[in-house]
Parts: sequence; C-alpha cells; structure tokens
Amino acid sequence: GAVVSQHPSWVICKSGTSVKIECRSLDFQATTMFWYRQFPKQSLMLMATSNEGSKATYEQGVEKDKFLINHASLTLSTLTVTSAHPEDSSFYICSAGVAGSYNEQFFGPGTRLTVL
Amino acid sequence: AQSVTQLDSQVPVFEEAPVELRCNYSSSVSVYLFWYVQYPNQGLQLLLKYLSGSTLVKGINGFEAEFNKSQTSFHLRKPSVHISDTAEYFCAVSWDQGAQKLVFGQGTRLTINP
Repeated sequence: GAVVSQHPSWVICKSGTSVKIECRSLDFQATTMFWYRQFPKQSLMLMATSNEGSKATYEQGVEKDKFLINHASLTLSTLTVTSAHPEDSSFYICSAGVAGSYNEQFFGPGTRLTVL
Repeated sequence: AQSVTQLDSQVPVFEEAPVELRCNYSSSVSVYLFWYVQYPNQGLQLLLKYLSGSTLVKGINGFEAEFNKSQTSFHLRKPSVHISDTAEYFCAVSWDQGAQKLVFGQGTRLTINP
C-alpha cells in the first residue's frame, strides 16, 4: 500500500521550454502533496506544499511563477517547470501525505530533469 | 528554526560489521521521527519511524533506532551490515502536526566494503 508514482522518470529538454512532472498516489487519497528538489550528493529541499483544490504554499526562495504546482485531485499533483534553464537541472521528488497519519510522507521514485 | 543534524556525511564500514548512523534534532517537543534510505537515482524508502510508545523502534532490513528525548537523538543501528546496505540515509523530523512538514538531515552516505 501507499504507493506514489512519478512520470516521467527522466526528461531532457531544451532551454526555454516547459516541462510537466506528474505525481500520483496510486492506492490512497493524498490530502497533501509535497515537491522536493535534490542536488547531487545533497539532501532534499522542500519546494512547496500543495493541498487538493487550493493554491500551493511555496518555501522561501522558490519562484512560484517558475515552478507551477497544480493539485487537481486527491491522487494527482503536477509540477511544471516553466522556461527551463540549465540551472533547473536536478532530481525532483514528490511525496504524499494523509491527514492524521502522524505526518508520514510516502515518496515517489523521482524525476531526473536535464535542461540543455 | 528547527533543525536536524546528521553528524557524519560518510560512514565506511566493512561487511558484517555493526554500524550506527547518528541523528540529532533541535527540539523534542511533540516530534515524529523517521529514517529513510535512498538508493542511486531513486526516491526515498521508509526504514522506520517513531510516533509514540516504545523508544526502540525496529524497521526493515534489520535496522533499528532509539528515540532519546533527553539527548534529542534518533540514531540508526544495524548489528551486521551487507553490501546491499550501501546507500544514502536520511533522518527526518516532523514538529508541526498541522502542516505535515518534514525537516531532513543532510544525509549520511553508508559505504560497505567487502
């Protein structure tokens, strides 16, 4: 149980284009989803928290207009990197949480983004 | 601000030896504690968690951790490691029940040598 998927698992795009990453909870309804960014050999950096049907809450320093997050349903959240640049290349990981679950988060497998 | 510190960035260990990965956090008020493992190019897998009750928590793959409130620590241990335990290990703490946020440590790279 508590499986989270991400799609795509890796993507290469040209500078200036936009890329959408999907995060799905497959066997449960996620009240909250989280998006993280991870640089090589570093820890996870929380980018934003999203609740179904409401606007995402972005962490300080994260550009909301560049990293668009949509949480349209209890099983799907999307992260769109707009006008991507090489410095946006990173490993993006989503996680999903359920209210009342002691704040445990279930993580997706991650998406490797490379911007050329 | 709340923080999580993993004191060792890298831990090399010989196969079948015991290992301890250290984790300290800034406050012990109403915390939930987690250890995750990450294999290369993969997401995070939950090893174990402390929510309440017994301070000694057992997890998957033979790992265990002990919650020490007075020392604000949650160290991860395994009595005998295997080559397959080579991975990155993250300690995470949640303080804010409403926001469900996790604060992660910097990670410890565990390398098992034959």
